[in-house]
Amino acid sequence: GQNIDQPTEMTATEGAIVQINCTYQTSGFNGLFWYQQHAGEAPTFLSYNVLDGLEEKGRFSSFLSRSKGYSYLLLKELQMKDSASYLCAELDSNYQLIWGAGTKLIIKP
Amino acid sequence: GAVVSQHPSRVICKSGTSVKIECRSLDFQATTMFWYRQFPKQSLMLMATSNEGSKATYEQGVEKDKFLINHASLTLSTLTVTSAHPEDSSFYICSARDAEGGAYEQYFGPGTRLTVT
Repeated sequence: GQNIDQPTEMTATEGAIVQINCTYQTSGFNGLFWYQQHAGEAPTFLSYNVLDGLEEKGRFSSFLSRSKGYSYLLLKELQMKDSASYLCAELDSNYQLIWGAGTKLIIKP
Repeated sequence: GAVVSQHPSRVICKSGTSVKIECRSLDFQATTMFWYRQFPKQSLMLMATSNEGSKATYEQGVEKDKFLINHASLTLSTLTVTSAHPEDSSFYICSARDAEGGAYEQYFGPGTRLTVT
């Protein structure tokens, strides 16, 4: 099966930058998603990468390296409302999402 | 665009009863809908995948006779938890995908918190 690895928890300071890493198995890869999930709420879509490189969307950017089976989500100018879990998910060869366990991001003032 | 609604948002039922949860795509046609379950502080667990007009595909360990899924139209899927027990208490989330044009992102409903007493 496919394994998605991401850190369990990270802490960062308001106004700073944080990078959340995700590694996945490269066989049958069709893209990499990042979702944000606040406690008690459903996930919301952040980004989708299928080609190598960095894609920027405002304060959030997502990077992909297909050869390394690696992605990261970069959050800039952190705000308290960014405290949430960030889920990495790989679109596999059957076009199904394989979910990571999520990274809980704690923002401190 | 890409709004998915889910009803009810919260339900409390007695052990042994059945509960139906509805998932609707409001502004697009969902060729595929997914049902997830999430226990506190855990990640999403895919329960089943359903394509409109066909039987749902259940993940290993998910009882298809207990969790009945119907995807009768391109905008509606339902999950019925039959003979619910306290261990079925969880956060149930649906998502929908319109794969036409090669887009594979899933859009999630707001979730249903089920408590079985």
